[in-house]
This record gives sequence, C-alpha cells and structure tokens, in this order.
Amino acid sequence: QQQVKQSPQSLIVQKGGISIINCAYENTAFDYFPWYQQFPGKGPALLIAIRPDVSEKKEGRFTISFNKSAKQFSLHIMDSQPGDSATYFCAATSLGDYKLSFGAGTTVTVRA
Amino acid sequence: DTEVTQTPKHLVMGMTNKKSLKCEQHMGHRAMYWYKQKAKKPPELMFVYSYEKLSINESVPSRFSPECPNSSLLNLHLHALQPEDSALYLCASSQGGQGGNTIYFGEGSWLTVV
Repeated sequence: QQQVKQSPQSLIVQKGGISIINCAYENTAFDYFPWYQQFPGKGPALLIAIRPDVSEKKEGRFTISFNKSAKQFSLHIMDSQPGDSATYFCAATSLGDYKLSFGAGTTVTVRA
Repeated sequence: DTEVTQTPKHLVMGMTNKKSLKCEQHMGHRAMYWYKQKAKKPPELMFVYSYEKLSINESVPSRFSPECPNSSLLNLHLHALQPEDSALYLCASSQGGQGGNTIYFGEGSWLTVV
C-alpha cells in the first residue's frame, strides 16, 4: 500500500511556465519530506526537502509548500526550463527511520 | 556530482554467472542502502546497513547477497539471477540513526540479465 500519493503522473509545460506536483500522505509520524529529481539514465538527486514546522521552502526556482493539517505537500517549479525535464519523486520518512516512502513519480516535460 | 560512487555503470550477465556491484561513499555516513529501480517506477528498498551491520532486508531473494566490508564500502553479490532482475541498482547513504535521514543516491548500475 502506497503511503505517499503523487499526482499528476505526467505533465507538459511551456518554457517559462509553472510546473506543480502534488503529494499526499497518511502517516502522521512522517516528519521529513524530500523531493528527488531524476534524469534518464541517472540516479535520483536530492532537490529540496522540508520539515512540517515550515509551511514553505524556496531554493532558486523550486518551492515546496507544506500543509500539515491537510497532510499534503507540493513542488512548484517556477519559470520552467527545458533542462528541468525529468522525473520528480516526492518522499516521506520519520527521523531515525531508514525507510523512505516514495510517491509514484511525475514525468515533467518542458517544451521550448 | 554525487558523492556516492557505483561500479560498474553497466553490467550484462548470464543467469549462471556470479558478479558483484560495488559502492563507495566518503561522506562519513554510517548508513548505506541498496535500492532496485525499474523503468518509470520509484526506487524500491532492498537492504540497509547501519554501522556496518545489516539492519533491514526487505525479503530480498537469496540470489542477492549484500556485504559491507567497512563504513565506506558496500557490495551486492549477484548469483543465479533471473531476467526479471534486470533493473537499475542504486546505492545510497545517509548519516544514519538520529543524525538525519537525508538519503543521497549514486548514479546506479544498470544490470541486464540474459
């Protein structure tokens, strides 16, 4: 049973547009929520992460929004570029837990 | 660039072969992981070593045998694999325990079983 639900499965955005990926979780013990970016043929790379005591975190063009009461979090990619075309995975875990629960992944395609 | 290094990048092996995947990290992390990833799917956890001891085995078939020679090295020994074992095998590491659970992945080893 998937502990983190991610949507959409894929999305296409024009260069300069905003890409939005949503994730939802059930386990209230989760307290760390990373996002990974994976290019074809490469391993997942940590993109940005957030803890539930923060409602928003921004790094460059990437922003995570976190809604603890709704148990939802999302990734916004502002001013999307063709180089952002990749698969994005949200994930969740608890401090001290070695298991990372992944979402199913979202393939983002940015058209020039 | 990732600080988790995996070799080889590509491996083709027959079903009767014995081969090994190798992983090295120099971040001082005390937890190391093996994941398996199929196309268009998220990584699936196989094994976790914490402080050089096997901490988690996610009911992986015995044809996969992990080994942690020291805190920087992790191996995955492969024997009598099946074609359905063809996948991207990812090594990862983290500080471990209460030191934080940010997991860093290597580039992976592409395994093809013929």
